[in-house]
Amino acid sequence: DAGVIQSPRHEVTEMGQEVTLRCKPISGHDYLFWYRQTMMRGLELLIYFNNNVPIDDSGMPEDRFSAKMPNASFSTLKIQPSEPRDSAVYFCASSFLTGELFFGEGSRLTVL
Amino acid sequence: GEDVEQSLFLSVREGDSSVINCTYTDSSSTYLYWYKQEPGAGLQLLTYIFSNMDMKQDQRLTVLLNKKDKHLSLRIADTQTGDSAIYFCAESRSGGYNKLIFGAGTRLAVHP
Repeated sequence: DAGVIQSPRHEVTEMGQEVTLRCKPISGHDYLFWYRQTMMRGLELLIYFNNNVPIDDSGMPEDRFSAKMPNASFSTLKIQPSEPRDSAVYFCASSFLTGELFFGEGSRLTVL
Repeated sequence: GEDVEQSLFLSVREGDSSVINCTYTDSSSTYLYWYKQEPGAGLQLLTYIFSNMDMKQDQRLTVLLNKKDKHLSLRIADTQTGDSAIYFCAESRSGGYNKLIFGAGTRLAVHP
């Protein structure tokens, strides 16, 4: 298996633009997580899904952020409109039952 | 508080032992985890301990758990330059297996 695949790896955009980050979890995994990593706040859990259903979105910072999982092999995290303080590395991770999370390589977002 | 806390930086000499400490918050955590992040990569599971254990050894790694004090530590014996990375402890929040809350990470630097 190729592991968790995220795209894009790097994105530079201007304030106010819409950003869409994509994730393909490992086949057969039924949990999917979106985390954000910054120097100031460390690794924050934004939202997670179980069997494509959002279970806990309490970490989503505000309404500008939204996440979807239309099927078992694809999820998106959207920021609209983006702001400079959204600059971070966004990780997607997936797991199956045991709690061992498999992380993607991350999407580094820079909002100017 | 709500945070999983770790010291941010540790420097050791090659061949010495490294001890990375963590304080967690949820006494109902079923599992506690150590993840490793190398530069430019996502996190990878290093080891974990079940909450009814107080010690787990896995080759050069020793995990100690003090449930009374909610303290977790990771000892790396014979530390090598390849061990240089950021180490995250994580707790499974709300008693579940999959919702992991991470500390800020401890950057381990190994010097000759």
